[in-house]
Amino acid sequence: GAGVSQSPSNKVTEKGKDVELRCDPISGHTALYWYRQSLGQGLEFLIYFQGNSAPDKSGLPSDRFSAERTGGSVSTLTIQRTQQEDSAVYLCASSISGGLDTQYFGPGTRLTVL
Amino acid sequence: GESVGLHLPTLSVQEGDNSIINCAYSNSASDYFIWYKQESGKGPQFIIDIRSNMDKRQGQRVTVLLNKTVKHLSLQIAATQPGDSAVYFCAEPGYNQGGKLIFGQGTELSVKP
Repeated sequence: GAGVSQSPSNKVTEKGKDVELRCDPISGHTALYWYRQSLGQGLEFLIYFQGNSAPDKSGLPSDRFSAERTGGSVSTLTIQRTQQEDSAVYLCASSISGGLDTQYFGPGTRLTVL
Repeated sequence: GESVGLHLPTLSVQEGDNSIINCAYSNSASDYFIWYKQESGKGPQFIIDIRSNMDKRQGQRVTVLLNKTVKHLSLQIAATQPGDSAVYFCAEPGYNQGGKLIFGQGTELSVKP
């Protein structure tokens, strides 16, 4: 079956613009995670969804970052008024039901803020 | 606090040799660890995991060793192949809720033909 997909694969934007990144998790997976990977760095947790609810938003770096999930499936990460330090690869992962279930990652969206 | 870190940022090995990638953790209560492989331009891929009630777990060409006394784990890759070239991350779940993963910095493995 299909894995986790993300779009766009690459996004170049100007400082101050808003961007939306999309994640399609594996069908049937109730848990969805967003991570950020800056150049040469490890992965940094942003937010966790269980169904359409986000019980853990502790990793969102500022109020410019928000995310939603609808229908227990697709999730959108929105960054408002982008800054250069937002440049990174944004990775989405899903798992069957969260907890210690294996997380399957998408290919990521590379965001470049000029 | 929760943290997972790696000893070396890069590792270069000859094709056919064995590779050993190390990882240290700080929380003595940590009881579950995962290794991920990330190839260039791709998302991380699950390799193998281990729980703290085990010292060793073997997969296909990979072995993970866990030393709880010194809070250290390692990933051993036997007969390293060019396709093994990637960045390897150790990770553990955060223990509040949901299973968010806390990743180490990563070790870049380069396999020389």
